[in-house]
Amino acid sequence: DAGVIQSPRHEVTEMGQEVTLRCKPISGHNSLFWYRQTMMRGLELLIYFNNNVPIDDSGMPEDRFSAKMPNASFSTLKIQPSEPRDSAVYFCASSPHIGEEGQPQHFGDGTRLSIL
Amino acid sequence: QKEVEQDPGPLSVPEGAIVSLNCTYSNSAFQYFMWYRQYSRKGPELLMYTYSSGNKEDGRFTAQVDKSSKYISLFIRDSQPSDSATYLCAFLYGGATNKLIFGTGTLLAVQP
Repeated sequence: DAGVIQSPRHEVTEMGQEVTLRCKPISGHNSLFWYRQTMMRGLELLIYFNNNVPIDDSGMPEDRFSAKMPNASFSTLKIQPSEPRDSAVYFCASSPHIGEEGQPQHFGDGTRLSIL
Repeated sequence: QKEVEQDPGPLSVPEGAIVSLNCTYSNSAFQYFMWYRQYSRKGPELLMYTYSSGNKEDGRFTAQVDKSSKYISLFIRDSQPSDSATYLCAFLYGGATNKLIFGTGTLLAVQP
């Protein structure tokens, strides 16, 4: 089975540019999560969706960040405008069966984002 | 007090050693306890997953949960260089929420 697929794997761009990160969850998984990982703060949950609906976006740092899930097989995380402090590794994860307790999450290999 | 505390390491051990990785937590609402392993430049992968207090064994790995002390551990027996990675504890609330709370990770190096 294909795992969670993220693109691009690496992104380097200049401050002020728009950045779009993409994620394809595992087929059949109902929940999708966006995380950010830095040395200082570890893994932080930014937002998660159940059945394509955003459930908790309390981790989104500010209005420059937005996330969408137009269908069950695709999600985007957008940063506009980007700032150097947004540099991090961004992970997407998915888990199966909304409503069933305790479902573990499966992670993609991340997008390494550098804002110059 | 942080919700989850994990020793950051780094931890360096010789091949064949027994490794003990630990996390403490403060939130009694956590009902599911996990360990993820993360290799360099890869995403975290689920290693162990348990619901109740006690031990769960899978090959060279044993996960231990003590809900009364709010303490979880991961033991690795006969450690191998291929075990060198960052290990993250993770906690999940029960009920409809799927929100995972992670520890900051412990970097382990197993020396051949």
